[in-house]
Amino acid sequence: KAGVTQTPRYLIKTRGQQVTLSCSPISGHRSVSWYQQTPGQGLQFLFEYFSETQRNKGNFPGRFSGRQFSNSRSEMNVSTLELGDSALYLCASSLVWGPNTGELFFGEGSRLTVL
Amino acid sequence: AQSVAQPEDQVNVAEGNPLTVKCTYSVSGNPYLFWYVQYPNRGLQFLLKYITGDNLVKGSYGFEAEFNKSQTSFHLKKPSALVSDSALYFCAVRDNNNNDMRFGAGTRLTVKP
Repeated sequence: KAGVTQTPRYLIKTRGQQVTLSCSPISGHRSVSWYQQTPGQGLQFLFEYFSETQRNKGNFPGRFSGRQFSNSRSEMNVSTLELGDSALYLCASSLVWGPNTGELFFGEGSRLTVL
Repeated sequence: AQSVAQPEDQVNVAEGNPLTVKCTYSVSGNPYLFWYVQYPNRGLQFLLKYITGDNLVKGSYGFEAEFNKSQTSFHLKKPSALVSDSALYFCAVRDNNNNDMRFGAGTRLTVKP
């Protein structure tokens, strides 16, 4: 069974550009969560989607957005990139959503560098 | 809102010695607690979880964790550390109100031969 797939794995952008990251969850998983990981801030929650609806949202500016498609695949977009957006962006999937969700299954991440 | 604290940035132990990585949490209602491990340039790998039942939970690679409700703690333990256990460890919590999973800042474990 294939794991969570994130593309691209590495990318370099310049300030002011925008970026779209993609996440394909484990087959059958319907919930997708996104996290930003930086050395100084640790793992920060971005969004959580289930059945194409955003269920939870972290404390990030409106430049960060996401969506989930009917096949459970998810994308996140960051517009007007800033140097501080350089990070490892992690996607995680789970079978369902809610208090009995259980563990999340993480992808390898997309490492974004903003110059 | 739910939150997790990992009071130690770094834990150093000698190979063969027991290890403990500490975690405390804050949540309204019943907690759902998790431990993950991250190796360099990789995603997080699930180690173990506490949902309900026995306070001592056993997980992958010989790790275990003890849930202590009165101290709101969920410390990760292993009786005998291996050099290959060296990695970054994250504690996480989710409440029972459909809120997202929140992670601690992480603890870097170094096991020396």
